[in-house]
Amino acid sequence: GENVEQHPSTLSVQEGDSAVIKCTYSDSASNYFPWYKQELGKGPQLIIDIRSNVGEKKDQRIAVTLNKTAKHFSLHITETQPEDSAVYFCAASLVKNAGGTSYGKLTFGQGTILTVHP
Amino acid sequence: DAGVIQSPRHEVTEMGQEVTLRCKPISGHDYLFWYRQTMMRGLELLIYFNNNVPIDDSGMPEDRFSAKMPNASFSTLKIQPSEPRDSAVYFCASSPGPSYNSPLHFGNGTRLTVT
Repeated sequence: GENVEQHPSTLSVQEGDSAVIKCTYSDSASNYFPWYKQELGKGPQLIIDIRSNVGEKKDQRIAVTLNKTAKHFSLHITETQPEDSAVYFCAASLVKNAGGTSYGKLTFGQGTILTVHP
Repeated sequence: DAGVIQSPRHEVTEMGQEVTLRCKPISGHDYLFWYRQTMMRGLELLIYFNNNVPIDDSGMPEDRFSAKMPNASFSTLKIQPSEPRDSAVYFCASSPGPSYNSPLHFGNGTRLTVT
């Protein structure tokens, strides 16, 4: 089955700095890579995702890059703010097709605790 | 949209007792998932349902765990008998479909402590 490794496990930055979290996956067939943010006492919430036919995707201060050859993908947060402090999870799955009936089971990384110091 | 609703938020029980966790998915979502989160193992998928039917329960750790979805708006995860190693945060999530455009929506979880 799929295995997702995530690094670093903890990351501390100063407000305004950039933060980068990296993940590698094992199953070359995986084609969908979401990132989730989990705040204290809450469930994970999707913040951005990328499909295997795209190399990079950006949404305001966050961006995700994907290298299918190397089987790794990364989350980039620029101009970090204290409210970005949370646990971030990467995940990988195989979504067979947009109209498929077989669900792509998400495999999550172990998470990164991001702390942004004011 | 009220989101995925889980109850209780916290549950403390003694070893050997039965525990029932409850979940109300987002209306119209055909997929429902139960995840367990621990420091050691991270987020693990226990089971998921499609249109109230269990599809994949390969993540259910033991026969002590069972899950049901009697209708589209309610699901339970039961542990009987509970053991200290079951202590974790249990999340329910729902999704409208299997495609790229159907991300998981998680509830806020039930923190279970078995003493």
